[in-house]
Amino acid sequence: NAGVTQTPKFQVLKTGQSMTLQCAQDMNHEYMSWYRQDPGMGLRLIHYSVGAGITDQGEVPNGYNVSRSTTEDFPLRLLSAAPSQTSVYFCASSYSDTPVYGYTFGSGTRLTVV
Amino acid sequence: KQEVTQIPAALSVPEGENLVLNCSFTDSAIYNLQWFRQDPGKGLTSLLLIQSSQREQTSGRLNASLDKSSGRSTLYIAASQPGDSATYLCAVRPDTGNQFYFGTGTSLTVIP
Repeated sequence: NAGVTQTPKFQVLKTGQSMTLQCAQDMNHEYMSWYRQDPGMGLRLIHYSVGAGITDQGEVPNGYNVSRSTTEDFPLRLLSAAPSQTSVYFCASSYSDTPVYGYTFGSGTRLTVV
Repeated sequence: KQEVTQIPAALSVPEGENLVLNCSFTDSAIYNLQWFRQDPGKGLTSLLLIQSSQREQTSGRLNASLDKSSGRSTLYIAASQPGDSATYLCAVRPDTGNQFYFGTGTSLTVIP
């Protein structure tokens, strides 16, 4: 049981480049989400999905796109990278969006935009 | 918006000491609260999940309490060990909405 798998672990982008951060889970979790972690600010929600074909915005969605074509995968796309998007990105999943369940996190992707 | 605060930001203790980490939140309308551990360069590992109807949860040397009405939770670590050195994060799930709100964490160092 691999849990939540994120790739790549590290990435350096130039300003204006695009890329996709991958997230996959093998726990048949309906709820998946993306957070970014910045020093002194805690984790902030970017986008989330409550099931295949359903996505919604979180607290800081600008500059990011998501889609959920399968239960297992929830990729995060950076459309045109900016230095402000330098951060550590975490994917998290939960059995459902019912609040009683907690989160399982991936190991993160450290992104630097130069 | 829910604000979550963790004090202190950093804590250094000698091995074997019992310690308490604090988490406070501004809106008591929460569904649950989760404590996580984060090792440097790593993801978040769930330690304990407390539902709003519960007062505490225990796992091994860890005990988390929740006082929803006062907006506070504590994580008690008994007989601390150097392997406990990490950053500890708390997160609250409001009654409505689809996200957790995170504190900025307490960085714990246990000195051998």
